[in-house]
Amino acid sequence: AQTVTQSQPEMSVQEAETVTLSCTYDTSESNYYLFWYKQPPSRQMILVIRQEAYKQQNATENRFSVNFQKAAKSFSLKISDSQLGDTAMYFCAFRTSYDKVIFGPGTSLSVIP
Amino acid sequence: DTGVSQDPRHKITKRGQNVTFRCDPISEHNRLYWYRQTLGQGPEFLTYFQNEAQLEKSRLLSDRFSAERPKGSFSTLEIQRTEQGDSAMYLCASSPDTVYNEQFFGPGTRLTVL
Repeated sequence: AQTVTQSQPEMSVQEAETVTLSCTYDTSESNYYLFWYKQPPSRQMILVIRQEAYKQQNATENRFSVNFQKAAKSFSLKISDSQLGDTAMYFCAFRTSYDKVIFGPGTSLSVIP
Repeated sequence: DTGVSQDPRHKITKRGQNVTFRCDPISEHNRLYWYRQTLGQGPEFLTYFQNEAQLEKSRLLSDRFSAERPKGSFSTLEIQRTEQGDSAMYLCASSPDTVYNEQFFGPGTRLTVL
């Protein structure tokens, strides 16, 4: 079965600090796509960052970067210089070649002023 | 085009009633997805369309659920004989036909079954 695990249900970080959210997944496919989505309170889900499994270079989008360890099936998200607007649920997800996207249970991140 | 839209945003119904939700994807996107999300959980895949063809259905989609995308544009999700366990947020997403298949989500329809 293809699964996504996020072992940190809740996290908090001080404004301007750095935080890392963990994600592990399980799949037998060799090529797939990984995503982190953000869902602010009462607002819709938006894509934060994406990574193609065959690309070894870790993706970076402004303050957001990933640490992709394919052998370990690990895909963590690092948020640098945390801002109050980063407070949200963060979902790790992956898509196989069959197009279905599987989401993890989410990590609730609170940025503390 | 301002993104994926869903209607209604909230629906309260009594157990046993039928409900229908609508999703309008981003106009150039040929793929459309339905998910269900319960409080504190990630979205669970229900079904998806490529153009008007329904390509996959989750086993979560019981025979009380039906989805259509008649002309490859908007989609509807109908739940018949609603049960209290159907209470959830129903999310729609669309994606273009690209290698990443990045999904753009709508605001969701929150269903409460009394």
